[in-house]
Amino acid sequence: EAGVTQFPSHSVIEKGQTVTLRCDPISGHDNLYWYRRVMGKEIKFLLHFVKESKQDESGMPNNRFLAERTGGTYSTLKVQPAELEDSGVYFCASSQDMRATGELFFGEGSRLTVL
Amino acid sequence: AQSVTQLGSHVSVSEGALVLLRCNYSSSVPPYLFWYVQYPNQGLQLLLKYTSAATLVKGINGFEAEFKKSETSFHLTKPSAHMSDAAEYFCALRHTNAGKSTFGDGTTLTVKP
Repeated sequence: EAGVTQFPSHSVIEKGQTVTLRCDPISGHDNLYWYRRVMGKEIKFLLHFVKESKQDESGMPNNRFLAERTGGTYSTLKVQPAELEDSGVYFCASSQDMRATGELFFGEGSRLTVL
Repeated sequence: AQSVTQLGSHVSVSEGALVLLRCNYSSSVPPYLFWYVQYPNQGLQLLLKYTSAATLVKGINGFEAEFKKSETSFHLTKPSAHMSDAAEYFCALRHTNAGKSTFGDGTTLTVKP
């Protein structure tokens, strides 16, 4: 069974440009999460989808970030326009378990560098 | 608000020595606690989790953690370190069903031969 896959693995863009990150969760996982790790600090929550609906987007830093999950399968996270402070590693995770004890399955992350 | 503090961003041990990675949490309600490990160029994977069934939790690769409510701690231990344990370890907590997790800053474990 394929795990969570993220694309691209690394993206280098100029300030002001647009980047779109993609996450393919494990098939059948209704829960999809985006997290971000900046400068080796803690992994911070961005948002949570249940199927195609945004369950919690309290961690989205500002309106330059747009996440979608059309059809409840893969998800995209667009940053437009990118700023220097957006650099970091963006992790996607998925889970089928609706309980708080449920395990998250993570992708390898997409490293974003904004110059 | 909940928070997770991992004491020591870098821990170095010799092969065969005890591994102790510290995690303290702050939570207004009983938390569910997790340890994840990230090996180089891989995603995070679950090591073990506390679900209130037992305070001493055993995980994969010989790791275990003990939940101590009085100390608000969930430290990770392994009796004898192996070279393959070198990785970054994250402590995390969660409250609501399938809701967001709160992570610590991570601890990088180095194992010296």
